[in-house]
Amino acid sequence: AQKVTQAQTEISVVEKEDVTLDCVYETRDTTYYLFWYKQPPSGELVFLIRRNSFDEQNEISGRYSWNFQKSTSSFNFTITASQVVDSAVYFCALSEAGGAGSYQLTFGKGTKLSVIP
Amino acid sequence: DGGITQSPKYLFRKEGQNVTLSCEQNLNHDAMYWYRQDPGQGLRLIYYSQIVNDFQKGDIAEGYSVSREKKESFPLTVTSAQKNPTAFYLCASSRGQAVGNQPQHFGDGTRLSIL
Repeated sequence: AQKVTQAQTEISVVEKEDVTLDCVYETRDTTYYLFWYKQPPSGELVFLIRRNSFDEQNEISGRYSWNFQKSTSSFNFTITASQVVDSAVYFCALSEAGGAGSYQLTFGKGTKLSVIP
Repeated sequence: DGGITQSPKYLFRKEGQNVTLSCEQNLNHDAMYWYRQDPGQGLRLIYYSQIVNDFQKGDIAEGYSVSREKKESFPLTVTSAQKNPTAFYLCASSRGQAVGNQPQHFGDGTRLSIL
């Protein structure tokens, strides 16, 4: 069975601070995909990134960066120089690459980030 | 603009009543999904459909029903058998049938409450 753990329930930072959101996953598959989604107060989920299990290169997109470490089953998300607009709930999710599990996303419980001006 | 439209935004259900949540997409996506989100919880899959006239149960399908008569529409009915329906419901779609190949795109959600 798949499982995604986001141990940080809520985080508060002051604007311009860096913040890292942790994600630890469990799967028996050797091929899988990992995702991060952002849920602003308006409610919709916004897709941020998808990684496959064979690509362990870290990725940077503007102020966002992701650190994928297969050895520790982690896929952490860092926001550099945080802004008030970054305030949201962030979800990490996992999907298998084949079989019935490839049609499902397993979500963590989310981390609520509050950026204080 | 292409996207996913969910309606209504807020919905109230009386005891013993069935209610239907609408989800329409104009992204030409094959696969569609319904999730339930409870406060402080992640999303849990209710039903998904990979293609028209076919759908599969997710992790928490009891008390819910769906149909997929058209590619662009995937309505969710919350039946009276669902004893704890108060939640935020999100509809999603994806281009491919396997989630890993294509990310899911989400609607704005419907918040359902009991009267």
